[in-house]
Amino acid sequence: GQQVMQIPQYQHVQEGEDFTTYCNSSTTLSNIQWYKQRPGGHPVFLIQLVKSGEVKKQKRLTFQFGEAKKNSSLHITATQTTDVGTYFCAGPWTGNQFYFGTGTSLTVIP
Amino acid sequence: DTGVSQDPRHKITKRGQNVTFRCDPISEHNRLYWYRQTLGQGPEFLTYFQNEAQLEKSRLLSDRFSAERPKGSFSTLEIQRTEQGDSAMYLCASSWQGRDSPLHFGNGTRLTVT
Repeated sequence: GQQVMQIPQYQHVQEGEDFTTYCNSSTTLSNIQWYKQRPGGHPVFLIQLVKSGEVKKQKRLTFQFGEAKKNSSLHITATQTTDVGTYFCAGPWTGNQFYFGTGTSLTVIP
Repeated sequence: DTGVSQDPRHKITKRGQNVTFRCDPISEHNRLYWYRQTLGQGPEFLTYFQNEAQLEKSRLLSDRFSAERPKGSFSTLEIQRTEQGDSAMYLCASSWQGRDSPLHFGNGTRLTVT
């Protein structure tokens, strides 16, 4: 079946350092979405990538979709304490099922 | 847009009891999803509705779980004969029609089975 792995599982950074999480799928994806879940909260949609090699930016966040559409990354420049949370990639892997990756939990040390 | 609402927020039940959760999606959304999330894990897909039709159900889902969306608006998720392993956060999400539409999540129902 489909597998969506994210690495690393956990990341601790000093405030101001950069952070990157990687999402890898065992199958080609039609699109990929990224969500952020704050501690005690629910997942909140960040962005969607559709095209091969697509790069999108949201302020300090840069999202990239791989050329083969099987992997994606999220990079945060100069992390802030407001970036704390778990970041998930997700996508419509088969049929109408919408699967989430394993997530990367980010801790930012002030 | 009042958001996705779920009720109750918390439910504590004894093993073997039945529980039912409710989800009210964003009114314009015709797609509705149920997920389960345990601590440190990503949301696990349970089932999906388009309008009132249940189109997908996880093969991993026990027969003790059933979901309905009778009029294509709110949905209920019932768990019969609860087990301790059912303890989790149950999340509901809705979206516009369209395979690629973003999901809007509710705050979830946290179930504790004692």
